Amino acid sequence: QQQVKQSPQSLIVQKGGISIINCAYENTAFDYFPWYQQFPGKGPALLIAIRPDVSEKKEGRFTISFNKSAKQFSLHIMDSQPGDSATYFCAASDRSYIPTFGRGTSLIVHP
Amino acid sequence: ETGVTQSPTHLIKTRGQQVTLRCSSQSGHNTVSWYQQALGQGPQFIFQYYREEENGRGNFPPRFSGLQFPNYSSELNVNALELDDSALYLCASSLKGAGNTIYFGEGSWLTVV
Repeated sequence: QQQVKQSPQSLIVQKGGISIINCAYENTAFDYFPWYQQFPGKGPALLIAIRPDVSEKKEGRFTISFNKSAKQFSLHIMDSQPGDSATYFCAASDRSYIPTFGRGTSLIVHP
Repeated sequence: ETGVTQSPTHLIKTRGQQVTLRCSSQSGHNTVSWYQQALGQGPQFIFQYYREEENGRGNFPPRFSGLQFPNYSSELNVNALELDDSALYLCASSLKGAGNTIYFGEGSWLTVV
């Protein structure tokens, strides 16, 4: 049973465009929602995270939007750059602090 | 760099063999988790160790086992290797009680032939 569903599987955008990746979860006990960025040959690295008491969190060009009633959250990358090309994973965890990951989105930003 | 180091980086094993992967956690971190990441998939939680004891386990069979040492470093052991065990194995460290942030190493690529 996939507890965190992520889409799209792959995404191609032009430099300067907006990249949007969506995730949905089922477990209402989840209370922490991080996004990880993974470059080839590297381990995932925490990019940005949100708790359900806020609907949006912004850090630089990266924004998480959170909809608690719909059990959905999304990552927006503004002014996408070729250096943003990587695989992005959404995740969710409960009080165990053990994240459940989505299947990932491969983002390619064309120059 | 996260300060989490894993070894070896790549290895090839034959079906039925046993493998041991090693991880040194970030300085000051007392909790180590192991994940399996198959090609094109997200990391899947194997187990977590805190104070040298298993502190949570995902849906993996008993042939996946681990250890945590007093210096908080850790080992992942897999017995009776199967072809489907081919994956990137990620170690992550964290400080229990200090929030949800975990820091991943670069992983060990295991190929079972």
